[in-house]
Amino acid sequence: NAGVTQTPKFRILKIGQSMTLQCTQDMNHNYMYWYRQDPGMGLKLIYYSVGAGITDKGEVPNGYNVSRSTTEDFPLRLELAAPSQTSVYFCASSHGLATNEQFFGPGTRLTVL
Amino acid sequence: ELKVEQNPLFLSMQEGKNYTIYCNYSTTSDRLYWYRQDPGKSLESLFVLLSNGAVKQEGRLMASLDTKARLSTLHITAAVHDLSATYFCAVVANDMRFGAGTRLTVKP
Repeated sequence: NAGVTQTPKFRILKIGQSMTLQCTQDMNHNYMYWYRQDPGMGLKLIYYSVGAGITDKGEVPNGYNVSRSTTEDFPLRLELAAPSQTSVYFCASSHGLATNEQFFGPGTRLTVL
Repeated sequence: ELKVEQNPLFLSMQEGKNYTIYCNYSTTSDRLYWYRQDPGKSLESLFVLLSNGAVKQEGRLMASLDTKARLSTLHITAAVHDLSATYFCAVVANDMRFGAGTRLTVKP
């Protein structure tokens, strides 16, 4: 199993550009999550999904959109990128069962200039 | 709103010493996680604590949970350099909230 994979690893955007961060998991997990981590800080939840076709906002959803058309994929869309969105983005997945332990992808480092 | 506070935020230790990292949270929860993050890397799950009084140990690390005090501790025994990393606690209420992290440096 590859676990949770994310692409790209690095990206530089200009202000106002858009992009999609890709996340795929091969563990047949129902739950998937997107977090951002600002320098020296903990993770903040952007959006999460409890299954295909179901998404919900987390702590910091503004400026982002998500979709979940399959169990495996959970892309994060940035529209009109702003410097405040410079961060490292982590995707995670979990069974959603008793322990709900989350497994994290390697992250995408995004810089908006 | 759930708030999670870790302390200390920075910890410099000598090899062989013991120390404890604290994680306090503000609302009722019986599910707490500890993660490790190496510089530039992703998060690695260390412990999952699911009930009051839960204690888990792995090598030189031991985690415990007191849901009544809304407190978890991560105890480091006889620290070694390889334990240098940032440690996060995360608490689940409606969603998962992370502490700011404790950056641990173990010096020879």
